[in-house]
Amino acid sequence: DAGVIQSPRHEVTEMGQEVTLRCKPISGHDYLFWYRQTMMRGLELLIYFNNNVPIDDSGMPEDRFSAKMPNASFSTLKIQPSEPRDSAVYFCASSRPHRGSTEAFFGQGTRLTVV
Amino acid sequence: SQQGEEDPQALSIQEGENATMNCSYKTSINNLQWYRQNSGRGLVHLILIRSNEREKHSGRLRVTLDTSKKSSSLLITASRAADTASYFCVSSDSNYQLIWGAGTKLIIKP
Repeated sequence: DAGVIQSPRHEVTEMGQEVTLRCKPISGHDYLFWYRQTMMRGLELLIYFNNNVPIDDSGMPEDRFSAKMPNASFSTLKIQPSEPRDSAVYFCASSRPHRGSTEAFFGQGTRLTVV
Repeated sequence: SQQGEEDPQALSIQEGENATMNCSYKTSINNLQWYRQNSGRGLVHLILIRSNEREKHSGRLRVTLDTSKKSSSLLITASRAADTASYFCVSSDSNYQLIWGAGTKLIIKP
C-alpha cells in the first residue's frame, strides 16, 4: 500500500481564496483524522471520521472550515475564505483499530501558506 | 483538543549518549504511541505500547508505561545525528481518540 496520500504537498494562496486539501486513506482503514500543526499551537485534531461519518468536529476552528468524506477512499478539508492565520501544515491520518491497537498512519502533510 | 504533556520541551545531547523523553497524560488509555517528526516532514510511527504492557523495545528504542502515574518514557540509546527530530507521544482513549503531547525537540550534536 502507498500509505496515506495527501495533495497538494504545498499550497500558496491569497487571503480570501478557497483552499481544498485532499486525502486518500489507506485502503481498509475506517478512521480518518485531519490535524493542523503550527509552531504556536502544536498538533491539533480538527475532525475525525469513522466509516465516512464525522464523529467529532469540535476541533474545527471556525465555520470557514469544512470537511467531507464522500466515500471510504477520499476526504477533503476546505477553507473558505482562507486567512493568513490558517497558514500551517495540515496532516491527514487513517487507522483501523484492531485488538486494542490504534496505530495511526500519517500522510506527508500539506503545507499551506496564505498571504 | 486535549493535549498531553511532554518533557523536556527540548533536549540537546552528544552523539552516542542516551536520550530520555517523558510524557504524561490525563485520561485512561488503551495504548500509547510515540512518533517522530523530522523538520518539515510527516510523522513516522515508532512504537506502540498497550495499557497492559510496562515496557517495550524496538531496536535502539525502549518505551516504558506507568499507568498508575499516567506517564511514559522513550529512551533512545546510542544516539545518532539522524535521531535529531521532534518526538511526540500520543495516547488513545476508549473512543479511539488520539491525544497528542506537545512534543520534545531532540538535537544530537556530532
